[in-house]
Amino acid sequence: QKEVEQDPGPLSVPEGAIVSLNCTYSNSAFQYFMWYRQYSRKGPELLMYTYSSGNKEDGRFTAQVDKSSKYISLFIRDSQPSDSATYLCAMSAGDKVIFGPGTSLSVIP
Amino acid sequence: DSGVTQTPKHLITATGQRVTLRCSPRSGDLSVYWYQQSLDQGLQFLIHYYNGEERAKGNILERFSAQQFPDLHSELNLSSLELGDSALYFCASSPMGPYEQYFGPGTRLTVT
Repeated sequence: QKEVEQDPGPLSVPEGAIVSLNCTYSNSAFQYFMWYRQYSRKGPELLMYTYSSGNKEDGRFTAQVDKSSKYISLFIRDSQPSDSATYLCAMSAGDKVIFGPGTSLSVIP
Repeated sequence: DSGVTQTPKHLITATGQRVTLRCSPRSGDLSVYWYQQSLDQGLQFLIHYYNGEERAKGNILERFSAQQFPDLHSELNLSSLELGDSALYFCASSPMGPYEQYFGPGTRLTVT
């Protein structure tokens, strides 16, 4: 079992839809949970990070962490074609960082 | 633009050769991380340096080595290159912990 699992997609939604992206993990030592967006062949871009359980909102993006279920989510409201990218979850414990394989998202105008 | 620079953008070389990838972190960031991204392996952590000292190693091959210099730029050295080393290599810098990393544009390495 991989430490971090993520549905690779691809996920295709119409413009304006609410998108839900998810990751599961197995290592209960993870304390920080991050979401990155990566456009094709570009460097990943940090969207937001969360410490421990709870919710965090930044504009159209909301991150949720449920440590009891070892499950994290990223919600994108009012999705735009410019949101079309690969979304990577990542988790850290100390200096160790593990990235999920990424979910490919297409937002269709 | 994240403020992290990487050179070169593209590198084509032959098997058995050695190459050096360079990374300059954002101004003020003391931490530099190196990653390898291939189609079948995703983003794999290689190594982390903090203010010139190695802090953590991930899935880095013995043929690969890195260092961080006093001006905080970092270099990743890849030797005895194999076809399977073809990938995108990213560096990232961080002002705090590994939860806040800013990635460079990457170096695309092709080994022929």
